[in-house]
Amino acid sequence: GDSVTQMEGPVTLSEEAFLTINCTYTATGYPSLFWYVQYPGEGLQLLLKATKADDKGSNKGFEATYRKETTSFHLEKGSVQVSDSAVYFCALSDQGGSYIPTFGRGTSLIVHP
Amino acid sequence: NAGVTQTPKFRVLKTGQSMTLLCAQDMNHEYMYWYRQDPGMGLRLIHYSVGEGTTAKGEVPDGYNVSRLKKQNFLLGLESAAPSQTSVYFCASSYPGGQGYDTQYFGPGTRLTVL
Repeated sequence: GDSVTQMEGPVTLSEEAFLTINCTYTATGYPSLFWYVQYPGEGLQLLLKATKADDKGSNKGFEATYRKETTSFHLEKGSVQVSDSAVYFCALSDQGGSYIPTFGRGTSLIVHP
Repeated sequence: NAGVTQTPKFRVLKTGQSMTLLCAQDMNHEYMYWYRQDPGMGLRLIHYSVGEGTTAKGEVPDGYNVSRLKKQNFLLGLESAAPSQTSVYFCASSYPGGQGYDTQYFGPGTRLTVL
């Protein structure tokens, strides 16, 4: 079946540092790929998405590129802020199937001033 | 446009008690989902529905029942609560379809403690 693996956290950075959160996937078809963010005490919300190979999703300074050859969708940001502290979830959705998503376990990001 | 709302926000139950969690969405989405989130376990799908009147089991359905009598509502029931059901419960909804149309929209969550 489909699966998503993302790096374990917590990831602890100083403000203005570069961020990478790794995400790799296994899927039988051609999935859509998503990053969701969960701020403390809230539900998840979409951060960015990509629907085909080589697409780049971007939002709020975050970027991720759909790499079919390495089955990866790594999240990056050039300069993190304290307000980026949250839990980040990588997810995929099988476009040719049930559209029921598969989530990674989440990576906690802590940004210090 | 309220998006996805969940009722209640917090609840404390004693072992063996029953309760129903209500999820409502105003985006005319076909698909609705119930997840639980536990530390270190990520999100786990309990049940889902692909349309009014339909329900299906997810990854961890035991001890829960659901109903989707109206398109905009999805109810999660615990018939006899157990301490292992202490968790944060999230409801979500989406359109079916690829090309990113199946983005999930989440509610704010219900924190349930079973003593």
